[in-house]
Amino acid sequence: DTEVTQTPKHLVMGMTNKKSLKCEQHMGHRAMYWYKQKAKKPPELMFVYSYEKLSINESVPSRFSPECPNSSLLNLHLHALQPEDSALYLCASSQGTGLQPQHFGDGTRLSIL
Amino acid sequence: KQEVTQIPAALSVPEGENLVLNCSFTDSAIYNLQWFRQDPGKGLTSLLLIQSSQREQTSGRLNASLDKSSGRSTLYIAASQPGDSATYLCAVSQRNTGNQFYFGTGTSLTVIP
Repeated sequence: DTEVTQTPKHLVMGMTNKKSLKCEQHMGHRAMYWYKQKAKKPPELMFVYSYEKLSINESVPSRFSPECPNSSLLNLHLHALQPEDSALYLCASSQGTGLQPQHFGDGTRLSIL
Repeated sequence: KQEVTQIPAALSVPEGENLVLNCSFTDSAIYNLQWFRQDPGKGLTSLLLIQSSQREQTSGRLNASLDKSSGRSTLYIAASQPGDSATYLCAVSQRNTGNQFYFGTGTSLTVIP
């Protein structure tokens, strides 16, 4: 079982819908990440939160809005997505800096109709 | 910007064979290098982490080496099994970008029974 839990596992939404992806970890990690992964491609970094503050935003469109309510939770709010946003969205956490390993969740498979 | 490349892109071997996967990176100013495996449609499972000051790490049938000066890492899998079939990804943590991890392009491994 993974120590990083992502919900839902699958999500199908229309382009006008608003939905949220959730990620939770209870390892005391202080850095949390969102990645987007298309089929047969490596994960692409979207956002990094360090000590609950957004530290990296890889020029992600505003239709993706991250939120870190506390040190254990990370959300990704979705609105007005495009078909090309269909992908596997992965959450990861690490203890706090690039010195420690990243732990990944199983991801949310997102399909945009 | 750091670029991480993995060769070969795909590899097919008979069960029981020993094999080597390669990872190369362009900027040697790294904190660490991490090897992951990913099963289809799943998240990433961490296999080994090598700190920049280390030369190798071992876990069971897996051995990862790091030559930071030449920008190379190898993942050695001994006595391969069909359950080893997956995509293997390497990722480096970059010193001058804090929590940012750069992923390689991945090697898809198939172990034939």
